[in-house]
Amino acid sequence: QKEVEQDPGPLSVPEGAIVSLNCTYSNSAFQYFMWYRQYSRKGPELLMYTYSSGNKEDGRFTAQVDKSSKYISLFIRDSQPSDSATYLCAMSARDNQGGKLIFGQGTELSVKP
Amino acid sequence: GAGVSQSPSNKVTEKGKDVELRCDPISGHTALYWYRQRLGQGLEFLIYFQGNSAPDKSGLPSDRFSAERTGESVSTLTIQRTQQEDSAVYLCASRKTGASQYFGPGTRLTVL
Repeated sequence: QKEVEQDPGPLSVPEGAIVSLNCTYSNSAFQYFMWYRQYSRKGPELLMYTYSSGNKEDGRFTAQVDKSSKYISLFIRDSQPSDSATYLCAMSARDNQGGKLIFGQGTELSVKP
Repeated sequence: GAGVSQSPSNKVTEKGKDVELRCDPISGHTALYWYRQRLGQGLEFLIYFQGNSAPDKSGLPSDRFSAERTGESVSTLTIQRTQQEDSAVYLCASRKTGASQYFGPGTRLTVL
């Protein structure tokens, strides 16, 4: 079993829809949780970074962490065609300042105009 | 300012040949990471450099893989006697203390 599980999709939604992306994990030592966006043939770029449980909002993006369920989510409101990309969850046991990141497989998202 | 750069962007090689991949981190970034991304997969950690400390090599898949970094500058990832299963995108990331990892565009390696 992988440490981090993520549905690879693909996920296709109409423009303006609310998108929900999720990951589950098995290692209870994970404390730092990130979401990266990766466009085709580009490196991943950091979208959201959260520590421990709770919610964090940044514009149209909301990240949720439920450590009791070992479950994290990323919500995208009012989705746009420019949001079409692969979304990768990542987590680490140590602060992102030091530790290696463990990634999910990535979910491919397509937002149709 | 310039981001993380990697070269070459694409590399095609024959099975059994050695390849060397280069990463130029963002200036002032003390930590440098290498990851591998197979087609349709997430990133797999390979190796991590932090300043003058001994590197964390725990992710290197075999002794055919090695990496070096001089101080806080360029790093090279070397794969000896390449195999077809080494075909992947190799991504480099760097960070400064207190910040998150910034990724380069990757080197796409194809082993024929």
